[in-house]
Amino acid sequence: EPEVTQTPSHQVTQMGQEVILRCVPISNHLYFYWYRQILGQKVEFLVSFYNNEISEKSEIFDDQFSVERPDGSNFTLKIRSTKLEDSAMYFCASSYFLTSDTQETQYFGPGTRLLVL
Amino acid sequence: AQSVSQHNHHVILSEAASLELGCNYSYGGTVNLFWYVQYPGQHLQLLLKYFSGDPLVKGIKGFEAEFIKSKFSFNLRKPSVQWSDTAEYFCAVNARSGGYNKLIFGAGTRLAVHP
Repeated sequence: EPEVTQTPSHQVTQMGQEVILRCVPISNHLYFYWYRQILGQKVEFLVSFYNNEISEKSEIFDDQFSVERPDGSNFTLKIRSTKLEDSAMYFCASSYFLTSDTQETQYFGPGTRLLVL
Repeated sequence: AQSVSQHNHHVILSEAASLELGCNYSYGGTVNLFWYVQYPGQHLQLLLKYFSGDPLVKGIKGFEAEFIKSKFSFNLRKPSVQWSDTAEYFCAVNARSGGYNKLIFGAGTRLAVHP
């Protein structure tokens, strides 16, 4: 069964450094998402992406964050200048959005655990 | 704003006990409802989902959930749990917003099943 994959599984970085988290969505999926889960807290929506542009973003997704689909398979989340509070598990998800009538399921990757020191 | 509440943060059961995890959502429009499970060290996996039709939905591994629209609830049930059900369970709502979808998650319920 096709799966969403993410690399790296763990990333440790110094505050102020840039990080890029990588995701390979399921190949025929059209919608891509990033979520994050700070330890002990809820899974929170960050951003959704369709047709090479952001379709929706949350308040968390400020100017420090950006997403990109650099080629036909990868979907990346970049944090330009990491802060301590960016430490979290970051999940990528993808879905095949059929029509405006829903019937959409999001499939999640295993996550990247980011630790900012 | 849309929100999802899961009433139990931690549940401890013995094997063969019955399970019911509560989930309530706050959203007035059309919703799709999901339960995801996260086994220790693994990623979020879809357990079951409700889009429309029969409000009692069956998922994998013997789980089921009932959508009660009047109560804005989507409780997860399993008649007899196993040790391998030890995991964290997340209820989520897919609330349509401007034509695009995002999942809103509850805080999760950590289930521990003792042999």
